[in-house]
Amino acid sequence: EAQVTQNPRYLITVTGKKLTVTCSQNMNHEYMSWYRQDPGLGLRQIYYSMNVEVTDKGDVPEGYKVSRKEKRNFPLILESPSPNQTSLYFCASSLKRKKNTGELFFGEGSRLTVL
Amino acid sequence: AQSVTQLDSQVPVFEEAPVELRCNYSSSVSVYLFWYVQYPNQGLQLLLKYLSGSTLVKGINGFEAEFNKSQTSFHLRKPSVHISDTAEYFCAVINTGGFKTIFGAGTRLFVKA
Repeated sequence: EAQVTQNPRYLITVTGKKLTVTCSQNMNHEYMSWYRQDPGLGLRQIYYSMNVEVTDKGDVPEGYKVSRKEKRNFPLILESPSPNQTSLYFCASSLKRKKNTGELFFGEGSRLTVL
Repeated sequence: AQSVTQLDSQVPVFEEAPVELRCNYSSSVSVYLFWYVQYPNQGLQLLLKYLSGSTLVKGINGFEAEFNKSQTSFHLRKPSVHISDTAEYFCAVINTGGFKTIFGAGTRLFVKA
């Protein structure tokens, strides 16, 4: 089954304690991206990756890091989480386009609370 | 730069009534348009998309949307909603030569019995 898998689905942590949210896709997609969803703001892009070892900042990258060492995996790293990073996070993937349409496939989300 | 405006943050409607969720976008280049749906505690999934051709696009679960280039709109409609349509709906655009999807703020559809 084609899917994007995120872990953990739920996490409560404390300020400053490093954490990693994993994302893996089995569709051989080149493009992967992280979003955060906050009420009234929709989805905002944190980081994206066009392919292995190619990553770039989205609209709200502050406080986050990513890596893309393998095509299927795109972990999101919070080196020193703060309460303003409490949010619902989504990983998404897509075929890299020239001719395709850019449809995104999403994971089920990771709800993070930073105390 | 592109932007997407969903004109209603919440839409309550009774079961079996028709519904329209409004979306306007701005872009200086050609775009593809999408509606995604997010059911409670789930990720987003594609409802329908407009790429080119016929301006009326049909999607899953009886939804359809109409692309209006002159009004830069892509409103989502369903003639008769069900309780199970209760979800958040996101309008999104991507320029045809690019890779970044821009999302609207979302519209919460509440279907009441």
